[in-house]
Amino acid sequence: SQTIHQWPATLVQPVGSPLSLECTVEGTSNPNLYWYRQAAGRGLQLLFYSVGIGQISSEVPQNLSASRPQDRQFILSSKKLLLSDSGFYLCAWNFRRGHYGYTFGSGTRLTVV
Amino acid sequence: QQQVKQSPQSLIVQKGGIPIINCAYENTAFDYFPWYQQFPGKGPALLIAIRPDVSEKKEGRFTISFNKSAKQFSLHIMDSQPGDSATYFCAACPPLGRLYFGRGTQLTVWP
Repeated sequence: SQTIHQWPATLVQPVGSPLSLECTVEGTSNPNLYWYRQAAGRGLQLLFYSVGIGQISSEVPQNLSASRPQDRQFILSSKKLLLSDSGFYLCAWNFRRGHYGYTFGSGTRLTVV
Repeated sequence: QQQVKQSPQSLIVQKGGIPIINCAYENTAFDYFPWYQQFPGKGPALLIAIRPDVSEKKEGRFTISFNKSAKQFSLHIMDSQPGDSATYFCAACPPLGRLYFGRGTQLTVWP
């Protein structure tokens, strides 16, 4: 069976510090991978998605970047965090082919202070 | 532009009531319509999904009603329980495309 791992669960970072969130998927190959952000009490904002190694599409221009160095690894980064980067970050995956819903990770609660 | 419009934003019902959450879409290419349930501090989890070739799908106390001509679909929760209190998201996607999510509905079921 497939599993998705996301870490860390919580993170408190000062403004201006770098960020690296990691997501890995096990039990499948060539997944589509996604990074979402959810502000408190708000909806799901798609940040990046990837259909393959090195292939990243950005939905919202901002202070963040994403990379996919390996087939089942997706990394969300920032060089300098802003207060507005605070939120709940979710990684998700789905099969490359077929209409399967996304499976989300457990999320990272990021607080920028 | 919001591809999937969801209402209401919040909903409060008594235990045993039948909350109904509605979603509407415009893109006729959408052919997969899932609902997700999210508890506080957790990632959303797939609850139930439907394709446009059927008008209703039921799984336990959860039912999706789908109206292709009106481009609308809804989630009904029968005999709602306090444990159903969560945020619910509808979504839609075209073939081989990505999901477009509604803005979410925060459901509270009072005992």
